[in-house]
Amino acid sequence: EPEVTQTPSHQVTQMGQEVILRCVPISNHLYFYWYRQILGQKVEFLVSFYNNEISEKSEIFDDQFSVERPDGSNFTLKIRSTKLEDSAMYFCASSVRGNTEAFFGQGTRLTVV
Amino acid sequence: DAKTTQPTSMDCAEGRAANLPCNHSTISGNEYVYWYRQIHSQGPQYIIHGLKNNETNEMASLIITEDRKSSTLILPHATLRDTAVYYCIVRVSITGTASKLTFGTGTRLQVTL
Repeated sequence: EPEVTQTPSHQVTQMGQEVILRCVPISNHLYFYWYRQILGQKVEFLVSFYNNEISEKSEIFDDQFSVERPDGSNFTLKIRSTKLEDSAMYFCASSVRGNTEAFFGQGTRLTVV
Repeated sequence: DAKTTQPTSMDCAEGRAANLPCNHSTISGNEYVYWYRQIHSQGPQYIIHGLKNNETNEMASLIITEDRKSSTLILPHATLRDTAVYYCIVRVSITGTASKLTFGTGTRLQVTL
């Protein structure tokens, strides 16, 4: 069964460093998303992406964040200068169309120290 | 997106049906009811969705009231592996747009022996 894969599963980084979280969406999906979940809190929407541009972004997704689809398979989330409060699980998701069910990856646990 | 209300937690004996309620009294005509679950800190898993008719798949059944103000997710024979947080999400569906999921706090279902 096709699935969304995310790498790495766990990343530890120093405050102020740049991190890139990687995702391989399901191959025939056209819409891509990033969500995050701070420990013990709700899953929060960050950004949606379609046709090589951002469709929608939340207030969390400020200038420190960017997304990119560098080739036909990968979808990345970059945090330019990490802060302690960026520590969270980051989930990538994809869907065939924007209004169909989204399938999530297993997440990357980002720890900023 | 319309707000949903779910009980904080529920228990269910293994082998019995688990019935998880959700209120969404302000739902609009173009909003679907989606159910996801999250096992421990894994990525949210899609379960089922519907607009106004009852739906069934290999995982669960979804019963939506005629006025669409509430719904019930039914796991017909709960197992220990169904222990998870279950999210009821109302999501707008517009063709051609990327529609985000807004997660609440969900219902923590504990399946016991």
